[in-house]
Amino acid sequence: GAVVSQHPSWVICKSGTSVKIECRSLDFQATTMFWYRQFPKQSLMLMATSNEGSKATYEQGVEKDKFLINHASLTLSTLTVTSAHPEDSSFYICSASRGTAHPQETQYFGPGTRLLVL
Amino acid sequence: GQQVMQIPQYQHVQEGEDFTTYCNSSTTLSNIQWYKQRPGGHPVFLIQLVKSGEVKKQKRLTFQFGEAKKNSSLHITATQTTDVGTYFCAGPGNNRKLIWGLGTSLAVNP
Repeated sequence: GAVVSQHPSWVICKSGTSVKIECRSLDFQATTMFWYRQFPKQSLMLMATSNEGSKATYEQGVEKDKFLINHASLTLSTLTVTSAHPEDSSFYICSASRGTAHPQETQYFGPGTRLLVL
Repeated sequence: GQQVMQIPQYQHVQEGEDFTTYCNSSTTLSNIQWYKQRPGGHPVFLIQLVKSGEVKKQKRLTFQFGEAKKNSSLHITATQTTDVGTYFCAGPGNNRKLIWGLGTSLAVNP
């Protein structure tokens, strides 16, 4: 159990376009989903925490108007990179947490989305 | 703010040698988690330690949580090429976030 899918796995787009990434928990309800960005050979950088039905909480330095997060249900969260630029090229990974009833705060990761902005 | 430090950043070993990565938190942790990320892949949950002084084993992997619940280690006995990847430790922060170490990248020469 605890499978998280992410779509698409690869995106190549032109500068100025918007890209939507979906994150789904397939076999459990995710009370909280997290969005990370990871640059090559670096650690995970948390972008925002998303709870179903409420606004996402963004980390310091992350532009909420540029990285739009919607958590419409307990199994789906989306990240939209608006007006993408080459510096937004990165590996975007979502994770989902089942809540404190299960291994405390364990996060289950999606396979990630590699975004390349030309 | 709360920080989790991890050393070493990189480690090269010959296949069959042992490997250890260390994790230190600036604050006491309620638990610590370890994840493995293969090259090109995503982090995969390995284990969670909760109790002070806890030791858990998964085949050739031994995980320890310090008595003060501020440090942890992951030891791999007799490394294999399948152990290649980056190992991250992470501890809970505020608002259900995880505070991540920078990871230790392990390379194994066959």
